[in-house]
Amino acid sequence: DQQVKQNSPSLSVQEGRISILNCDYTNSMFDYFLWYKKYPAEGPTFLISISSIKDKNEDGRFTVFLNKSAKHLSLHIVPSQPGDSAVYFCAASAANAGNMLTFGGGTRLMVKP
Amino acid sequence: DAGVIQSPRHEVTEMGQEVTLRCKPISGHDYLFWYRQTMMRGLELLIYFNNNVPIDDSGMPEDRFSAKMPNASFSTLKIQPSEPRDSAVYFCASSLARVVTITDTQYFGPGTRLTVL
Repeated sequence: DQQVKQNSPSLSVQEGRISILNCDYTNSMFDYFLWYKKYPAEGPTFLISISSIKDKNEDGRFTVFLNKSAKHLSLHIVPSQPGDSAVYFCAASAANAGNMLTFGGGTRLMVKP
Repeated sequence: DAGVIQSPRHEVTEMGQEVTLRCKPISGHDYLFWYRQTMMRGLELLIYFNNNVPIDDSGMPEDRFSAKMPNASFSTLKIQPSEPRDSAVYFCASSLARVVTITDTQYFGPGTRLTVL
């Protein structure tokens, strides 16, 4: 059973608009959440993270929101740019599980010019 | 630093053949991870090493899969015999710490795309 789920396999957004990527998790012991970005033929690269003691973390155009009661997090990209087109992976870790990363299935974002 | 290096980038083989994937982590990183990416299961952790010692191999799918790290700068993931369902992209990652923290992160290689016919 997948503990981290990204229910939207793909998302298409117009340049300049907001992109919202969603992620749900089931393990209440997860206490650290991350987003990775992956371009074709490259490995995933770390984008932004959030600790469970926070509900928001912002870095430039990227903001991650965490709703612990709903076991839901989201990544907002504003404004979206064509260069943001990639696959985005949500990941989570739990200190009591050795801090291993559990990844979601990924969402392919396409930003149209 | 050149980052995490993986070879080959692409591998096509026939069912039953042995496949060996290679990884060179970033110099100075104590942790090395092997992941597999498939459409059905996304990114799965197969095994990780700390200071060349395998710590957790619970993600290794079957006995056909084995991984070694003979020294701090080299690791291999071997599949013997290979099967069509092993077709996937295999990533190697390394880090200073076991997991991403505020001050550190896992750095991924470009991956090896394996196709077993």
